[in-house]
Amino acid sequence: GENVEQHPSTLSVQEGDSAVIKCTYSDSASNYFPWYKQELGKRPQLIIDIRSNVGEKKDQRIAVTLNKTAKHFSLHITETQPEDSAVYFCAASEAGTASKLTFGTGTRLQVTL
Amino acid sequence: DAGVIQSPRHEVTEMGQEVTLRCKPISGHNSLFWYRQTMMRGLELLIYFNNNVPIDDSGMPEDRFSAKMPNASFSTLKIQPSEPRDSAVYFCASSFSNQPQHFGDGTRLSIL
Repeated sequence: GENVEQHPSTLSVQEGDSAVIKCTYSDSASNYFPWYKQELGKRPQLIIDIRSNVGEKKDQRIAVTLNKTAKHFSLHITETQPEDSAVYFCAASEAGTASKLTFGTGTRLQVTL
Repeated sequence: DAGVIQSPRHEVTEMGQEVTLRCKPISGHNSLFWYRQTMMRGLELLIYFNNNVPIDDSGMPEDRFSAKMPNASFSTLKIQPSEPRDSAVYFCASSFSNQPQHFGDGTRLSIL
């Protein structure tokens, strides 16, 4: 089955700096890669996703890049703000979102003032 | 627009008791997923349904766990008998066709 590895497990950045979280996956058939943000005590919420026919996608301060050859994808947050502090999860899925999502172990991002 | 609705939000019970978690997916969604989240194991998929039919239950830990989806608007996850190691946050999520999964607020389960 699919295996997703996520790094780093914790990340501390100063407000205004950029943050990068990286994930690798094992199954070359995976073709959908969402990122979820989970605040303490809350549910995971989708912040951005990318499909395998695209190499990069951007939404305001958030961007995701995908390298299918190397089987890795990354989340980039620019101009970080204190409200970006949360746990971020990457995931990978075959055949679109109706199939299994395998999640990474999460990255705890702390944005300090 | 109501999201995925889970109940109860919190459940505390003694080991050996039966626990039933409930989920109402977003109206019109045809896929439903049950996840378990713990510090040690992260977010794990337990089972998912497509058009009310269980597709993959390979994540269900053991026979003490069972899940049903009698109709498109309701699903249950049952643990019988419950054990302390079942303590976790259980999330339900739903999606439509090729669209992203939306999570409910979760049920925080504590087995004493």
